Amino acid sequence: GQQLNQSPQSMFIQEGEDVSMNCTSSSIFNTWLWYKQDPGEGPVLLIALYKAGELTSNGRLTAQFGITRKDSFLNISASIPSDVGIYFCAGQLGGGGNKLTFGTGTQLKVEL
Amino acid sequence: GAVVSQHPSWVICKSGTSVKIECRSLDFQATTMFWYRQFPKQSLMLMATSNEGSKATYEQGVEKDKFLINHASLTLSTLTVTSAHPEDSSFYICSARWNEQFFGPGTRLTVL
Repeated sequence: GQQLNQSPQSMFIQEGEDVSMNCTSSSIFNTWLWYKQDPGEGPVLLIALYKAGELTSNGRLTAQFGITRKDSFLNISASIPSDVGIYFCAGQLGGGGNKLTFGTGTQLKVEL
Repeated sequence: GAVVSQHPSWVICKSGTSVKIECRSLDFQATTMFWYRQFPKQSLMLMATSNEGSKATYEQGVEKDKFLINHASLTLSTLTVTSAHPEDSSFYICSARWNEQFFGPGTRLTVL
């Protein structure tokens, strides 16, 4: 099935640094979602974006829905050790009942 | 709110046996649930969409006779892997829709 391209594939950063990652698609989505997955666990929803150009924050996390509706960005400010994990973007065409298309994932490692 | 559970969290079985995985929405009703499969270091791939009271919709390439899905109530969907083989070993994750999709903790299946 289709996957969205995420970059970078992995990041190794120092605690306290800001982090940026993005997700791109060849097709348009009406909703963009960002999830975090810890090892051996299911993904946890971080931020949901519903409108092109929308900028939404959740604590230290900020995400934006690209104007073209083909991309999205996630920023994490002042990273801490518990930010370690894999971050997935997901695109959705319709409402919550429609299926998600997931990105390839960005693995974040934080050095103390 | 929006808690999804899965049972079992892990299972080891012999080749040729069938395994049933349960997905429950604990504090909400879900007319639609989704089943995903995730191989190591890869993203989530949608297998099928489970609709309460009707047949599941399978993604291209997923064998419906091998992966039986039953959504008998608004809080329970089951995935049965029939005649499991080692190549079916994977991490199976369900999600349930409540505004957005919320994921269960996953089930690790190992087929010997």
